[in-house]
Amino acid sequence: DAKTTQPPSMDCAEGRAANLPCNHSTISGNEYVYWYRQIHSQGPQYIIHGLKNNETNEMASLIITEDRKSSTLILPHATLRDTAVYYCIVSSYSNSGYALNFGKGTSLLVTP
Amino acid sequence: DVKVTQSSRYLVKRTGEKVFLECVQDMDHENMFWYRQDPGLGLRLIYFSYDVKMKEKGDIPEGYSVSREKKERFSLILESASTNQTSMYLCASSSRREAGANVLTFGAGSRLTVL
Repeated sequence: DAKTTQPPSMDCAEGRAANLPCNHSTISGNEYVYWYRQIHSQGPQYIIHGLKNNETNEMASLIITEDRKSSTLILPHATLRDTAVYYCIVSSYSNSGYALNFGKGTSLLVTP
Repeated sequence: DVKVTQSSRYLVKRTGEKVFLECVQDMDHENMFWYRQDPGLGLRLIYFSYDVKMKEKGDIPEGYSVSREKKERFSLILESASTNQTSMYLCASSSRREAGANVLTFGAGSRLTVL
């Protein structure tokens, strides 16, 4: 699976949009981009995933560049509860789900 | 609304004890996983199972075994606990349906301390 590069930490003011970048320049054609987050002392939580089209759900939006070499997770109106470590993962579908590599992620701090 | 339940949130055991960590999911998922998480090392896969009675080694299986006798339950066993197994243990499950295998649902975690 392709590796990802994320900034180690970011800050965001409460109520503003949080834009979390991820670089995956070696992504291959059959690999999807997944985002998870982990709030302190809890298990990781799935947020969203996509292949090449932009995706939106009730939690966030995922913007993938046309060349698929990078993506951005957008939390449109960040709240204090969004403070967490955010993981960007690139993986092909497999029916075992074994391929996920969580890496170190970006620690997002949402401030009042 | 809890979907993946880990039996113990906090455990303290002594070196050499046999430790059982239990995980139950109610989503009829085929795949189940055990990870451990340590500061600076991220999440590391210990074992996973894609069907009842099936198991596959992950990245760090040494010192651990697993059991999957029923679809909903996946147990992690430390035959003889050691201090280097002090960690946060996370159970997860996912569906084998086309889009689902990499969408993992995690439990809250079990923090094990081995003295």
